[in-house]
Amino acid sequence: QVQLQQSGPGLVKPSQTLSLTCAISGDSVSSNNAAWNWIRQSPSRGLEWLGRTYYRSKWYNDYAVSVRSRITINPDTSKNQFSLQLNSVTPEDTAVYYCARDQGALNVWGQGTTVTVSS
Amino acid sequence: DIVMTQSPDSLAVSLGERATINCKSSQSVLCNSNNQNCLAWYQQKPGQPPKLLVYLASSRGSGVPDRFSGSGSGTDFTLTIGSLQAEDVAVYYCQQYYSTPHTFGGGTEVGIK
Repeated sequence: QVQLQQSGPGLVKPSQTLSLTCAISGDSVSSNNAAWNWIRQSPSRGLEWLGRTYYRSKWYNDYAVSVRSRITINPDTSKNQFSLQLNSVTPEDTAVYYCARDQGALNVWGQGTTVTVSS
Repeated sequence: DIVMTQSPDSLAVSLGERATINCKSSQSVLCNSNNQNCLAWYQQKPGQPPKLLVYLASSRGSGVPDRFSGSGSGTDFTLTIGSLQAEDVAVYYCQQYYSTPHTFGGGTEVGIK
């Protein structure tokens, strides 16, 4: 049974970097038939796909245009996890952040992390 | 980006009755030569992450009751709850995974009449 466990701070100051980690059990971040995603949800923006990382003989990333200049998603094969970094945050980045596995559709989700951007 | 438009925003259905949710994509999400569509449906209850109900427009996810069914092709899709149960009260979302960004619809809130 695949599980995703999220960790990271719930409060980030404006202009700083939001950092979250998603630990994988029951699958591998290096799997050739999965991709590892970050999605966020807020009342104003609904569900918003942010990006993903995946391995197909080499590592690839896809990012949403809306955050492309500020986002990095990295795999960590030694710990079997992946991370989200979002730079230069503003209050508009306040949301519940989810990690999720996709094999096409998003079939396994993390528990969610509420992140508030405030001084 | 592909825009996903759901309707209605909310609906109330009597227990045991049928609930129908529509989703329209701004372009076709037909994703392979087997006439399959890269379209998923999710159910979200308060305080929980979304749960996959349907993938490839009409294939039920693992453990999903057979009262949930998906249909449609190209740009128009439907999620049907055949006989609404109390535990089906939730918000339902469609999502296309034909091309990045993998966009979601705005959600349909289903309640009991």
